[in-house]
Amino acid sequence: DAKTTQPNSMESNEEEPVHLPCNHSTISGTDYIHWYRQLPSQGPEYVIHGLTSNVNNRMASLAIAEDRKSSTLILHRATLRDAAVYYCILRGLIQGAQKLVFGQGTRLTINP
Amino acid sequence: EPEVTQTPSHQVTQMGQEVILRCVPISNHLYFYWYRQILGQKVEFLVSFYNNEISEKSEIFDDQFSVERPDGSNFTLKIRSTKLEDSAMYFCASRTLDRPYGYTFGSGTRLTVV
Repeated sequence: DAKTTQPNSMESNEEEPVHLPCNHSTISGTDYIHWYRQLPSQGPEYVIHGLTSNVNNRMASLAIAEDRKSSTLILHRATLRDAAVYYCILRGLIQGAQKLVFGQGTRLTINP
Repeated sequence: EPEVTQTPSHQVTQMGQEVILRCVPISNHLYFYWYRQILGQKVEFLVSFYNNEISEKSEIFDDQFSVERPDGSNFTLKIRSTKLEDSAMYFCASRTLDRPYGYTFGSGTRLTVV
């Protein structure tokens, strides 16, 4: 799997937008960009994924650079509940029982 | 929203004892996984399971580990003879065929080997 690079930690304030960056300069044309997050004492949970176009869902937005070598997860209005470790993961078209591979992720702290 | 359920939430066992960690995946999911996370470290893949057999396993998943889906609903991870270094959070996950990006994880079992 292609490698991703994320900052170890970020901090933001409650009710402000948060932009979490991910670099993936060796991404291949068939790699999807997935974001998962892990709240304290919980298992990882799916946030969003995309291929080329920007994506929005009820949790977040995903902005993908035109060359696809980087992406940004956007939390539009952070709450204390968004404090978690955020993982950016590249996966090719998932076939069969293929696993997710987690890196260290970005630990997001939200200040009240 | 459907959940992956894991029991127990916390298990303490003596070194050398056998433990069985239990998971109830989402009912229409076909692919099942176990991961572990040692305190302060990243989430590590252990094994994937499909159609009643192991699809892939990591180097961590040695002969001490086994998985089973005994009754079509539960998915278990057995550690035959626990070591201190098996202390970790163990997460079960499942995935359906028609939503290939959406792995659903349970809340985990914290295993403490003393």
